[in-house]
Amino acid sequence: GAVVSQHPSRVICKSGTSVKIECRSLDFQATTMFWYRQFPKQSLMLMATSNEGSKATYEQGVEKDKFLINHASLTLSTLTVTSAHPEDSSFYICSASSGTDYGYTFGSGTRLTVV
Amino acid sequence: GDSVTQMEGPVTLSEEAFLTINCTYTATGYPSLFWYVQYPGEGLQLLLKATKADDKGSNKGFEATYRKETTSFHLEKGSVQVSDSAVYFCALDGNSGYALNFGKGTSLLVTP
Repeated sequence: GAVVSQHPSRVICKSGTSVKIECRSLDFQATTMFWYRQFPKQSLMLMATSNEGSKATYEQGVEKDKFLINHASLTLSTLTVTSAHPEDSSFYICSASSGTDYGYTFGSGTRLTVV
Repeated sequence: GDSVTQMEGPVTLSEEAFLTINCTYTATGYPSLFWYVQYPGEGLQLLLKATKADDKGSNKGFEATYRKETTSFHLEKGSVQVSDSAVYFCALDGNSGYALNFGKGTSLLVTP
């Protein structure tokens, strides 16, 4: 079945530094990738949608200069949290879609802690 | 716009009890409906889905039927196990290529 690999699973960084999270579709071509942030008490917030080769579409209230998304190939999307602050600490999850048969596959998530 | 409402948790059940997690939706057109499960510290896994009215999705003993007349997609399992303890998300896909629209999630704890 479709597999999405997300790395790293956990990262701790110092305030003011940048962190890159990778999301790879291992056995299918992901025409669209989605990035979510999960807050305590479970709710998932869609941050942005990215299509291969084009700029990401950010949801209202998400700072595009802070959360840089790149979808340079059909198998890789990256989320870079720039100048991270403690309030950016969260669980980030990517999802990839091949655009066929309503397939959405999720990565295993990245726990970001900014200290 | 499209939306999903699911019952708030946490839900606590004893092993072998019957489970129902309610999910209702609002959407234009004919959305596809999904249930995802999230185990602690992990991403989301697709549990089951239904793409049209009256379809029943099933997997690992869980079932949900797409009810257009009541705009519902309730998740059920006849006998839960401790290993079913997780957070369950109901989701809707109104337009292919767009992100899924999620409910807020329902935490399930099954005790021995």
